[in-house]
Amino acid sequence: RKEVEQDPGPFNVPEGATVAFNCTYSNSASQSFFWYRQDCRKEPKLLMSVYSSGNEDGRFTAQLNRASQYISLLIRDSKLSDSATYLCVVKKTGFQKLVFGTGTRLLVSP
Amino acid sequence: GAVVSQHPSRVICKSGTSVKIECRSLDFQATTMFWYRQFPKKSLMLMATSNEGSKATYEQGVEKDKFLINHASLTLSTLTVTSAHPEDSSFYICSARLAGDLREGEQYFGPGTRLTVT
Repeated sequence: RKEVEQDPGPFNVPEGATVAFNCTYSNSASQSFFWYRQDCRKEPKLLMSVYSSGNEDGRFTAQLNRASQYISLLIRDSKLSDSATYLCVVKKTGFQKLVFGTGTRLLVSP
Repeated sequence: GAVVSQHPSRVICKSGTSVKIECRSLDFQATTMFWYRQFPKKSLMLMATSNEGSKATYEQGVEKDKFLINHASLTLSTLTVTSAHPEDSSFYICSARLAGDLREGEQYFGPGTRLTVT
């Protein structure tokens, strides 16, 4: 079983739509969680960290369910520029290593 | 934000030759740099963790004699793919952590190097 699993998509949505991505992780020792964004043939960039209480950054909301080992990302009012691959990333406390999911591809159309 | 550069951005080489990729932190000191590899439509896979002044720590399954890593200064790490073969063709990305950075998970990624071995 992969350590971090995501639905690869693609998710095709119209502009203005709300879309949600899910991610599950297998290692209960995982302590830190993040969403990264990766554009085609580019490097990943940190989108947001995910906190236990849930957190919001503009149109983006991230939530964590430790009991179910599940992380989510909600994007409201999708923009064309949101089209990218969204990577779920986990990290164990005390370790520097980030473990990446395969990513979920989002395509926002006019 | 912190900037990490990689050179070259793209390289094509013949099978059997060696290729060196440089990763530089441009405006900060990085005690730790990471090297990843990404195949098409696959996730980033960590190859090795490179600490300045010491030997790199390789992930399981990564041949240290084939992928030579040198982290000679706080701003430069190099990855040399020795005796490259077509199956080594991939997108190689480095990342760096700021020295003393306590922010969990904050790694700054370079733009990547696309290696094609013919």
